[in-house]
Amino acid sequence: AQKVTQAQTEISVVEKEDVTLDCVYETRDTTYYLFWYKQPPSGELVFLIRRNSFDEQNEISGRYSWNFQKSTSSFNFTITASQVVDSAVYFCALSGFHTGGFKTIFGAGTRLFVKA
Amino acid sequence: DGGITQSPKYLFRKEGQNVTLSCEQNLNHDAMYWYRQDPGQGLRLIYYSQIVNDFQKGDIAEGYSVSREKKESFPLTVTSAQKNPTAFYLCASTGRGKETQYFGPGTRLLVL
Repeated sequence: AQKVTQAQTEISVVEKEDVTLDCVYETRDTTYYLFWYKQPPSGELVFLIRRNSFDEQNEISGRYSWNFQKSTSSFNFTITASQVVDSAVYFCALSGFHTGGFKTIFGAGTRLFVKA
Repeated sequence: DGGITQSPKYLFRKEGQNVTLSCEQNLNHDAMYWYRQDPGQGLRLIYYSQIVNDFQKGDIAEGYSVSREKKESFPLTVTSAQKNPTAFYLCASTGRGKETQYFGPGTRLLVL
């Protein structure tokens, strides 16, 4: 069975602090995809990044960086020099191909508060 | 601009009433999905469709129904059998061979 765990329910930081959001996953698939989405107060999920199971290279995009480690089944997300606009709920997700197509399961989300 | 639209933004349901949530996409995506999100929780899959005239039950399909008569449209009906329908409903789509889901703005359903 597939599972995504985001153990941090809420995180509160002060602007300009660095913050890491944790994501641990479980799957028996050899080919799978991992995602991070941002959900601002408006509610729409915004795609941030996708990683496939064969690519463990870490990625940096501006203030965002992602650390994928298959050995620990983790896909952590770091925001450097956080800003108030980063306040949102962040979801980690896992997708694999099953009968009927790709199915994605989501973690419970981590709510990030960035205070000015 | 290409994207996914959902309407209405807010929807009110009376006891015993069926209501239909609209989801339209002009991204030429093959697959479409419906999720339910409860406060403080993640997304749970209700139904999904890989092609026109075909759809599959997700993890919480009871009390819901869908149709996929057109590639662009995947409406969700919340039936009177769904006893706890108050939630935020999100529609998503993916292109052929693509695994990344793109989401609409969501519909918030409330029970009167």
